[in-house]
Amino acid sequence: KAGVTQTPRYLIKTRGQQVTLSCSPISGHRSVSWYQQTPGQGLQFLFEYFSETQRNKGNFPGRFSGRQFSNSRSEMNVSTLELGDSALYLCASSVDRGFSYNEQFFGPGTRLTVL
Amino acid sequence: AQTVTQSQPEMSVQEAETVTLSCTYDTSENNYYLFWYKQPPSRQMILVIRQEAYKQQNATENRFSVNFQKAAKSFSLKISDSQLGDTAMYFCAFGSNTGKLIFGQGTTLQVKP
Repeated sequence: KAGVTQTPRYLIKTRGQQVTLSCSPISGHRSVSWYQQTPGQGLQFLFEYFSETQRNKGNFPGRFSGRQFSNSRSEMNVSTLELGDSALYLCASSVDRGFSYNEQFFGPGTRLTVL
Repeated sequence: AQTVTQSQPEMSVQEAETVTLSCTYDTSENNYYLFWYKQPPSRQMILVIRQEAYKQQNATENRFSVNFQKAAKSFSLKISDSQLGDTAMYFCAFGSNTGKLIFGQGTTLQVKP
């Protein structure tokens, strides 16, 4: 069974631009969560989607948004990029709606660099 | 709000020896789950071990075991017979039924030959 895939793996953007990251969960998984990883702030929860609905959201500005499609694939979008948005963005999928006892399987991440 | 604290930013251990990574957390919830995740230099995060808070017995997975002290809100990871492939960043994480994981800052473990 294929693991969680994220595209692209690397991305370089400039301030003010917007970016869209994609995540394909493991087949049969319906919950997708997104995390931002930076050296200073560590791993922080962005949001979780289940059955195309955002179920939980972290403490991030409205520039960060996401969605989930009927095939459970998810995208996250960051508008008006800032230098501080440079980070590794990790996607995780699980079978159920994100109850943590359902193991979250992580993708390899997308490394976003904002210049 | 829940918090997770890992007080050891870096640790090292000789191959074949035992090392313990520390983690403390704070929560007012009674039902929750605790995890240790491993993130090797290749960045793919993988689950090492999981502990349900309602279980008193400490979880064990091969060379990995935990010491779960619920009253003290402590959740340490012991790696026995350390191997070079154990070199990675280790994250302690807290989860409940909210659909998100709260991570500690991580401990970088270097296994030396």
